[in-house]
Amino acid sequence: QVQLVESGGGVVQPGGSLRLSCAASGYSFSVYGMYWVRQAPGKGLEWVAFISFHGSETYYTDSVGGRFTISRDNSKDTLYLQMNSLRTEDTAVYYCAKGNGWWPEYWGQGTLVTVSS
Amino acid sequence: HSALTQPRSVSGSPGQSVTISCTGTSNDVGGYNYVSWYQQVPGKAPKLIISDVSRRPSGVTDRFSGSKSGNTASLTISGLQTEDEAEYHCFSYAGYNWVFGGGTKLTVL
Repeated sequence: QVQLVESGGGVVQPGGSLRLSCAASGYSFSVYGMYWVRQAPGKGLEWVAFISFHGSETYYTDSVGGRFTISRDNSKDTLYLQMNSLRTEDTAVYYCAKGNGWWPEYWGQGTLVTVSS
Repeated sequence: HSALTQPRSVSGSPGQSVTISCTGTSNDVGGYNYVSWYQQVPGKAPKLIISDVSRRPSGVTDRFSGSKSGNTASLTISGLQTEDEAEYHCFSYAGYNWVFGGGTKLTVL
């Protein structure tokens, strides 16, 4: 069965950096696009980034463009999100999700990122 | 892209039906047949219940159904059960951009 396990969350000061990882198993990772989605405390879901199956195409929501970088290592079945210049408004649970066409299909359990001084 | 518009909350009694709307624009909901719906229980990850506007993934009860008219998509839950109490999120492709609705809290009275 599909399993996605995020890691790398934690507490970071404003302006700091963090790299999230998402280890995938139970399916052919290199065949599917991947998403990062976040959820601020008590708020709705927000799409953050998408990467194509081969990694050559990446897309970002406007608020993180230029600060966040999505990438993948198909040899390790792992997805990444490098987050730089973090702001307090980036505080959220970050989910990785396996894509199926133009939507997230299976989701990980999420990792909490807290940006606070 | 602005978030899609969903009602903050809906409610119904066991056995009844409820419909949750999701309104966007011709650049997202109205422009593509790639609307999906997710069910999220507090403290848990979202679960896909509808894709491609109206397709149910394997294992999802047929009490959930989806539709679309113009710029508004809808999720209907029939034969409400207490286990349906959750947050429901719509999601749409918008041309190499993606957008969620604000989420709707379903209370089963």
